[in-house]
Amino acid sequence: QVQLQESGPGLVKPSETLSLTCNVSGGSISSYYWSWIRQSPGRKLEWIGYFYYSASTNYNPSLKSRVTILVDTSKNQFSLNLRSVTAADSAIYYCARARTSAGTVGDWGPGTLVTVSS
Amino acid sequence: DIQMTQSPSSLSASVGDRVTITCRASQIITTYLNWYQQKPGKAPKLLISTASTLQSGVPPRFSGTGSGTDFTLTISGLQAEDFATYFCQQSYNTPFTFGPGTKLDIK
Repeated sequence: QVQLQESGPGLVKPSETLSLTCNVSGGSISSYYWSWIRQSPGRKLEWIGYFYYSASTNYNPSLKSRVTILVDTSKNQFSLNLRSVTAADSAIYYCARARTSAGTVGDWGPGTLVTVSS
Repeated sequence: DIQMTQSPSSLSASVGDRVTITCRASQIITTYLNWYQQKPGKAPKLLISTASTLQSGVPPRFSGTGSGTDFTLTISGLQAEDFATYFCQQSYNTPFTFGPGTKLDIK
């Protein structure tokens, strides 16, 4: 049973970079689709992007200019960098896995709350 | 982007009731429609994929129908543990998008 766990700062200053890591256990990151999804305080869910084990990535165009998803197969982890954050980026951030198709997310981390504030 | 809408936004029901939640896509997504359940403080849980495929371990009182642009999630015989928020999501193309959610609470 795969388990995912997000980690990273809970508070980020405006204009800085939000950096989160997802540690994956119970399954190899070298297969399937690995995503970041966020949920705003108003409960809106927003897909940020995913990478596929063949090293391809796909980002939400609304965030594409600010987002990078990186993979560290040696640590079985993947990470999210979101640059130039504003208060609108405050949300719960989830890392997740999809097996059969990129958009069908069957496994989720518990989520981590990130607040953007000075 | 494909816009997803849900109705109602909130719903009150009693244990044993049958409830239906509707989801509509702004364009045809065939059956690339997933349903998730979210309880307070928890991550969403995948209930149904491709409009009608029940995930392993999900009780059969949950069912999904629809294709094209219109979809429904039905819960037959509500149980106490079903009171939660339900989201639809299209996986037809990127960016994958979610509906705004339907909060189901106890009457």
